[in-house]
Amino acid sequence: NAGVTQTPKFQVLKTGQSMTLQCAQDMNHEYMSWYRQDPGMGLRLIHYSVGAGITDQGEVPNGYNVSRSTTEDFPLRLLSAAPSQTSVYFCASSQLRSGELFFGEGSRLTVL
Amino acid sequence: SQKIEQNSEALNIQEGKTATLTCNYTNYSPAYLQWYRQDPGRGPVFLLLIRENEKEKRKERLKVTFDTTLKQSLFHITASQPADSATYLCALSDDGVYPNFGNEKLTFGTGTRLTIIP
Repeated sequence: NAGVTQTPKFQVLKTGQSMTLQCAQDMNHEYMSWYRQDPGMGLRLIHYSVGAGITDQGEVPNGYNVSRSTTEDFPLRLLSAAPSQTSVYFCASSQLRSGELFFGEGSRLTVL
Repeated sequence: SQKIEQNSEALNIQEGKTATLTCNYTNYSPAYLQWYRQDPGRGPVFLLLIRENEKEKRKERLKVTFDTTLKQSLFHITASQPADSATYLCALSDDGVYPNFGNEKLTFGTGTRLTIIP
């Protein structure tokens, strides 16, 4: 049972480049979300989804796109990376109404 | 504005003592509050959830209290061990969010780094 799997673990981008952070879960969870974690800021919600075909914005959605075509996958796209997007990104999933979030191990992104 | 504050960035406790961490919030009406543990370089791991109508919840050496009047949660680790050293995060869900399945828009505090000294 892999849980929540994020790839890549580390990535360095140049300003203006695009990339996709992958997130997959094998627990059949309806709810999936992306957070970013920065020093002194705590975890901040970027986007979330309550099921396939349904996504919504969190606290800091600008510069990021998501889609949810399957229950298992919830990729996060950076269309034009900026240094302000340098952060550690966490994907999390849960059953609806359960409250408990399962997190991936994180993806550390550096934008030069 | 809405705010979640955890009492201190770092807390050092002697092994065997009880560690108490504080989470205060303002301008929220949380349906429930959660505590997570995060080790360096790892993702947070769920520990406990307490609902707005519950005063206290326990799990092994862990105890959480929730006072909606004081707008505060306390997280206790009894008989602390060096292996309990980690950063502990509180998180809450605002019941003012619709549709509120209970998970979305979970807001996290910045965490308290706990070190248990042998």
